[in-house]
Amino acid sequence: DTAVSQTPKYLVTQMGNDKSIKCEQNLGHDTMYWYKQDSKKFLKIMFSYNNKELIINETVPNRFSPKSPDKAHLNLHINSLELGDSAVYFCASSQDPNIQYFGAGTRLSVL
Amino acid sequence: TQLLEQSPQFLSIQEGENLTVYCNSSSVFSSLQWYRQEPGEGPVLLVTVVTGGEVKKLKRLTFQFGDARKDSSLHITAAQPGDTGLYLCAGLLSSNTGKLIFGQGTTLQVKP
Repeated sequence: DTAVSQTPKYLVTQMGNDKSIKCEQNLGHDTMYWYKQDSKKFLKIMFSYNNKELIINETVPNRFSPKSPDKAHLNLHINSLELGDSAVYFCASSQDPNIQYFGAGTRLSVL
Repeated sequence: TQLLEQSPQFLSIQEGENLTVYCNSSSVFSSLQWYRQEPGEGPVLLVTVVTGGEVKKLKRLTFQFGDARKDSSLHITAAQPGDTGLYLCAGLLSSNTGKLIFGQGTTLQVKP
């Protein structure tokens, strides 16, 4: 069983479109995160939720809106996609912030 | 802006050689985590160091946390081709928020 699963694995779309990435964890963790990895492999935190409550909201454009329907799910919706949004997006979860489990990533390509 | 400087960014060595990767910052971290990432996969946690001066060993990998909890190193002894991958250090700024600051990563290639 995959601990942190995100879908889709690949997402290719046109500029201006709206898309969503879903994430689910079956580890029973209270905290979930979204990270963005750029073309140089640099990983940066975007958001974190603890028990459905927003904890971290980095300087991310408000076109990005996370939603946590329950503590096992954290989805990321992106409006009006731009070329610069192309990246790999990783979901992660933790019970202890010293030990974070990452999903396999969603590679987003905006054309 | 909190930064974690990781070096070197790229390393290509022969099998059997030793290597060290460094992460340095002016910020104090609650802990320092080391991850390894394979192509097409997410980062996988190798180790977390929490106490200043702490040393942890994982087979041929030795991790050290600086006394002031601002820096860390990863030393690999007798590198093998299976060690090839992207190594990432990440500092935990606050255990309350779980906010991790990542280094730029070190791409290691070990040639047979």
